[in-house]
Amino acid sequence: GQQLNQSPQSMFIQEGEDVSMNCTSSSIFNTWLWYKQDPGEGPVLLIALYKAGELTSNGRLTAQFGITRKDSFLNISASIPSDVGIYFCAGQSPFGGSNYKLTFGKGTLLTVNP
Amino acid sequence: SAVISQKPSRDICQRGTSLTIQCQVDSQVTMMFWYRQQPGQSLTLIATANQGSEATYESGFVIDKFPISRPNLTFSTLTVSNMSPEDSSIYLCSVIRRTQGANVLTFGAGSRLTVL
Repeated sequence: GQQLNQSPQSMFIQEGEDVSMNCTSSSIFNTWLWYKQDPGEGPVLLIALYKAGELTSNGRLTAQFGITRKDSFLNISASIPSDVGIYFCAGQSPFGGSNYKLTFGKGTLLTVNP
Repeated sequence: SAVISQKPSRDICQRGTSLTIQCQVDSQVTMMFWYRQQPGQSLTLIATANQGSEATYESGFVIDKFPISRPNLTFSTLTVSNMSPEDSSIYLCSVIRRTQGANVLTFGAGSRLTVL
């Protein structure tokens, strides 16, 4: 089946630093999604990307859908302590009909030292 | 955004027992999805629950181990049967919701099960 390689697995940074994480796949996806999971919570959508080459920002977050449709990155600028959590990329199969599936990366655990 | 409530939020279970997780959504939805998140792993789809028909299971998951009910358009249950320590995971209910101008998967807070 489809697999996503997400890196890095974990990051330890100082408050104020910028962060970058990425996902790659051997398969093409139609949509890339980035989620954040806080402890004890379910993943929450941060950014959704729908077109190859698309660059989208949401506050301090910026994400891009790779031209090849096989990769995506997420950047966080000027990190703050509340950025701590696990960040997941997810690739979406074409939606339509009776099924809807996401393939998730293994996550990037971000720790921000104040 | 959707309000998805799961119960229990966490539980500690004995080997060999079964536990049923409930998921309540604040509005009617056609499909409800159950995911598993094993420690340090990514989220894996267990099955899709449709109202009025049997759940559709993904490869590696079977109805005998993870029976699912979908009695109406706002509620579903997932049972983890005959549990072993390997079943210790977070189990997440999810639905499709309109977010940021598109239909995307939205998750509940999850049910964290520890099997001793």
